[in-house]
Amino acid sequence: GQNIDQPTEMTATEGAIVQINCTYQTSGFNGLFWYQQHAGEAPTFLSYNVLDGLEEKGRFSSFLSRSKGYSYLLLKELQMKDSASYLCAVRDPYQRGATNKLIFGTGTLLAVQP
Amino acid sequence: KAGVTQTPRYLIKTRGQQVTLSCSPISGHRSVSWYQQTPGQGLQFLFEYFSETQRNKGNFPGRFSGRQFSNSRSEMNVSTLELGDSALYLCASSNLNAGSEQYFGPGTRLTVT
Repeated sequence: GQNIDQPTEMTATEGAIVQINCTYQTSGFNGLFWYQQHAGEAPTFLSYNVLDGLEEKGRFSSFLSRSKGYSYLLLKELQMKDSASYLCAVRDPYQRGATNKLIFGTGTLLAVQP
Repeated sequence: KAGVTQTPRYLIKTRGQQVTLSCSPISGHRSVSWYQQTPGQGLQFLFEYFSETQRNKGNFPGRFSGRQFSNSRSEMNVSTLELGDSALYLCASSNLNAGSEQYFGPGTRLTVT
């Protein structure tokens, strides 16, 4: 089966940097996504990693190590509006053929404090 | 470009009833996926449709069903509602066969009493 682990909650200070880790256990790999979800709203796409290394997008970066089954999301220059749930998801590697089926972790609730 | 729309946004039903939820993907998107989100289980995959064909199905009972129309709009139906079906139902659309980001709609909040 598939298992995706993330910390349940994290707290950080405005202006600081925070790293949210995600580990996954699957026998295959077909891409990893990070989404942000504010309370009561839909998830919004942040990043996609399919190869090892760092993908940078403004204040947000995501890293992937396929050999370790590990990814992290790095948020720099934290702002109050970054308080949200951050969801790590892998595309199901067990489906034959193309799929957009995502398997989500339970999410990390980030609280940014002044 | 308009985003993914879902109707209705809120719904209250009683046990035993059935419900139909609707999702209109972003124009040009042919892939539509449905997810159930609850506080305890997080986001769980229900089904995926592409070009009117169900490509994948999650581990939900047969009371959960869906379909996709030729204009890519999708509906999901839940029959014989149970209290545990109370959740946020999210629809996501994608513009490629696979391998691209998915855009989520605002969801339908279903409450079963």
